[in-house]
Amino acid sequence: EVHLVQSGAEVKKPGESLKISCQGSGYTFTTYWIGWVRQMPGKGLEWMGIISPGDSDTRYSPSFQGQVTMSADKSINTAYLQWSSLQASDTAMYYCTRRAATTRYDYWGQGTLVTVSS
Amino acid sequence: QSVLTQPPSVSAAPGQKVTISCSGSSSNIGNNYVSWYQQLPGTAPKLLIYDNNKRPSGIPDRFSGSKSGTSATLGITGLQTGDEADYYCGTWDSSLSAKVFGGGTKLTVL
Repeated sequence: EVHLVQSGAEVKKPGESLKISCQGSGYTFTTYWIGWVRQMPGKGLEWMGIISPGDSDTRYSPSFQGQVTMSADKSINTAYLQWSSLQASDTAMYYCTRRAATTRYDYWGQGTLVTVSS
Repeated sequence: QSVLTQPPSVSAAPGQKVTISCSGSSSNIGNNYVSWYQQLPGTAPKLLIYDNNKRPSGIPDRFSGSKSGTSATLGITGLQTGDEADYYCGTWDSSLSAKVFGGGTKLTVL
């Protein structure tokens, strides 16, 4: 059975760095791209971009290019999303999801809540 | 402002049918497959419909999808209280080179 398990909730201060993770199991991790989706409090879904765990090729949404960095370690079936300097506006739930096709994301992680507050 | 337009809310009685619309343009819905996601309160989104009208294994046939031109529709029949959730349409936008979602529709089963 396919599972995507994300790291736990984080509380950070503005200006701090952060790296959250998403570990896949139950399938060949390098076969499917992993996407990241942001959901701000009470708002809808926003696609941030995708990474190919096999070769770390990345495609960022224009809205998030330069704001975050996606990476992956295929040896431990894990994808990462990181920030170098958090802002209060980064407060949101972040989901990782497996891309089965260009427009189809078939499995989702449970989400990681990131709270940025002074 | 989302690229894809959905009604903010819809409601219907248990057992009834409801439809949720998703309107886009030629750069997204008009030339790409549409998927639909269900997000129950406090949980992660779940794939409900893909490639306009296909259901993943385990999704009951009460849920259906269709697409015409630059619009798509999600239909739910035999409404149950457990269907109360937010529903999102999504597709690829060739102009933005990004996956785009609708703003979401909150379904209330009265």
